[in-house]
Amino acid sequence: EDKVVQSPLSLVVHEGDTVTLNCSYEVTNFRSLLWYKQEKKAPTFLFMLTSSGIEKKSGRLSSILDKKELFSILNITATQTGDSAIYLCAVESGGSNYKLTFGKGTLLTVNP
Amino acid sequence: DVKVTQSSRYLVKRTGEKVFLECVQDMDHENMFWYRQDPGLGLRLIYFSYDVKMKEKGDIPEGYSVSREKKERFSLILESASTNQTSMYLCASSSLTQTGGLLSHFGNGTRLTVT
Repeated sequence: EDKVVQSPLSLVVHEGDTVTLNCSYEVTNFRSLLWYKQEKKAPTFLFMLTSSGIEKKSGRLSSILDKKELFSILNITATQTGDSAIYLCAVESGGSNYKLTFGKGTLLTVNP
Repeated sequence: DVKVTQSSRYLVKRTGEKVFLECVQDMDHENMFWYRQDPGLGLRLIYFSYDVKMKEKGDIPEGYSVSREKKERFSLILESASTNQTSMYLCASSSLTQTGGLLSHFGNGTRLTVT
């Protein structure tokens, strides 16, 4: 059974702090790993990672994948209150009929 | 921009009722998915479909069925709603990226309450 585990489950920080969110996985036929940010509505896409060791960056957010150790991290520097959200990690797996398996998410709260 | 539209944002139904949740996407995607999201459990896959009239069970298909008669529409059916099906339901459709990965686009969700 495919498994995606995120840690921590929740995190409270102050504005300006740097946070690191973790995602480890065990899946059959790995294809890609995705990070989503979910506020009140649907998850919004952040990053897709398919190659090991290549950092994806967007503003204060960055992510990297380690396919050997089967994990990914999402870093957020200089956090702002608007970064408060649930961050979801999902792993795409399978052959021709592939699917996504989601972790339970990390609830990040950024206090002013 | 990809648009995934779920027909209702909020729905209240009684135990035993048959419930239809509709999802429409406008990007000609082959793959469509239904998830439910519950506090502490994250997103869980109910069913997915990779083509018209094709469907596959996800991780928690019990109590649900689906219908994909047209490529753009994927319906989730609760044959006889129960209170433990009170949840947020999210539909997604997926496109393949240039690197071969699967990128999901989500609808805004339907919050279903079964009383």
